[in-house]
Amino acid sequence: AQSVTQLDSQVPVFEEAPVELRCNYSSSVSVYLFWYVQYPNQGLQLLLKYLSGSTLVKGINGFEAEFNKSQTSFHLRKPSVHISDTAEYFCAVRKGPGTYKYIFGTGTRLKVLA
Amino acid sequence: DVKVTQSSRYLVKRTGEKVFLECVQDMDHENMFWYRQDPGLGLRLIYFSYDVKMKEKGDIPEGYSVSREKKERFSLILESASTNQTSMYLCASSLAGGPSNQPQHFGDGTRLSIL
Repeated sequence: AQSVTQLDSQVPVFEEAPVELRCNYSSSVSVYLFWYVQYPNQGLQLLLKYLSGSTLVKGINGFEAEFNKSQTSFHLRKPSVHISDTAEYFCAVRKGPGTYKYIFGTGTRLKVLA
Repeated sequence: DVKVTQSSRYLVKRTGEKVFLECVQDMDHENMFWYRQDPGLGLRLIYFSYDVKMKEKGDIPEGYSVSREKKERFSLILESASTNQTSMYLCASSLAGGPSNQPQHFGDGTRLSIL
């Protein structure tokens, strides 16, 4: 069975600094990987997804993520963060082959400081 | 743009009550999901439906049931509400067909308090 680990529960970072939010998943033959963002009092919005092909995936709001099969990681990065990026970020992976169900990580709260 | 609408943003109910949470999507998606979100636990799947009248248990179905009589509507039912069901509930939908790689589209959530 799949599992997803987001090691950092909170990440404080100063405005305009780079940030990396870490996500590791358990090994599987094929994986579909997603990053979602949740702003306060809202549902989750899709930031980006990896299905196949290029290992560097670009998403909305200047975020990108790199799929690393050997390290079973899918870390999210942004070269320069803004105050408006303050939110909770969730990594998700398909639960297993032939299913539409996904497993979500426990989330990383990004706090951008002025 | 996909719109997933949850009928209530905030709800307060009493222990033992039967509680209904409603979710409607407007993009003809086959799949619909109910999650609960708790601090430090992330999102946990309660129930999943892949078609009208079809459902599958998720990871934490105990104390809950669901109903999907129409394609666009997916209801979560707390049969006899208890205080440990106080949580944020999120509804989501996605397309089906082909590889199961479709992202989920989420509603804004219902924050349910059981007193």
